[in-house]
Amino acid sequence: NAGVTQTPKFQVLKTGQSMTLQCAQDMNHEYMSWYRQDPGMGLRLIHYSVGAGITDQGEVPNGYNVSRSTTEDFPLRLLSAAPSQTSVYFCASRGGTSFYNEQFFGPGTRLTVL
Amino acid sequence: SQQGEEDPQALSIQEGENATMNCSYKTSINNLQWYRQNSGRGLVHLILIRSNEREKHSGRLRVTLDTSKKSSSLLITASRAADTASYFCATTTNSGYALNFGKGTSLLVTP
Repeated sequence: NAGVTQTPKFQVLKTGQSMTLQCAQDMNHEYMSWYRQDPGMGLRLIHYSVGAGITDQGEVPNGYNVSRSTTEDFPLRLLSAAPSQTSVYFCASRGGTSFYNEQFFGPGTRLTVL
Repeated sequence: SQQGEEDPQALSIQEGENATMNCSYKTSINNLQWYRQNSGRGLVHLILIRSNEREKHSGRLRVTLDTSKKSSSLLITASRAADTASYFCATTTNSGYALNFGKGTSLLVTP
C-alpha cells in the first residue's frame, strides 16, 4: 500500500492564482481531512470528509474548497491564492468512524504564495 | 481553536537520557494521541490513550493521562539520536471527528 499520497511536493504561486492540491489514499478509509501547518501554530484543520459526497468545514476553511467524489481522492482547491496561505499542507485519512483509529498522514505539500 | 498545549516548547538531551513532554488541554476528550514529525516530513502516529485509561506503554514510550487535570505526558526512555523530532499531542472530543493539535515540542537528542 502507498498509504496517503500528496502532489505536488512543492508549489510556488502568485497572488490571485488558483490551484488544486491532490490527495489520495489506497486504504479504503472513509474519513479524510486537510490540515495546514504554520511555524509555531501546530496543525489546524481546514476541511474534512466522512465519506464520498460528504464534506464539512474545519477551523480555517476560508479561501479553500473541497469535494469528495470518490473514497480514494480528496483534493483541496485554493480559489484565489493569498500570501497568508503560504504554509505546509497535510492530508490525512482514518479508517472507519471510530475515534480510536489512528490517522495516517501524507508527506505534505509546501506552498509559497508570492 | 487549538485544544492541546505542549510543554516544553523545546527540549535538548543526550543519548541515553529520558525525555518527558507534557500536554494540557481545555475540554473533555474522547482520546488523546501523540504524533512524531521528523523535519520536513509528515506526522506519524505513536500512541493513543483513551479517556478511561491512565497509562499506556509502547516500546520505549510511556503515556499517562490525568483527565482531572486535563493533562498528559509522554516519556521516551533511553533516547536515541533518531528520536530527534517534533512531538505533538492531539485530542478528539465526542462531538467531532477532527483531531485538535497542540503546537508541539521540539526534541533534540545529541550523541
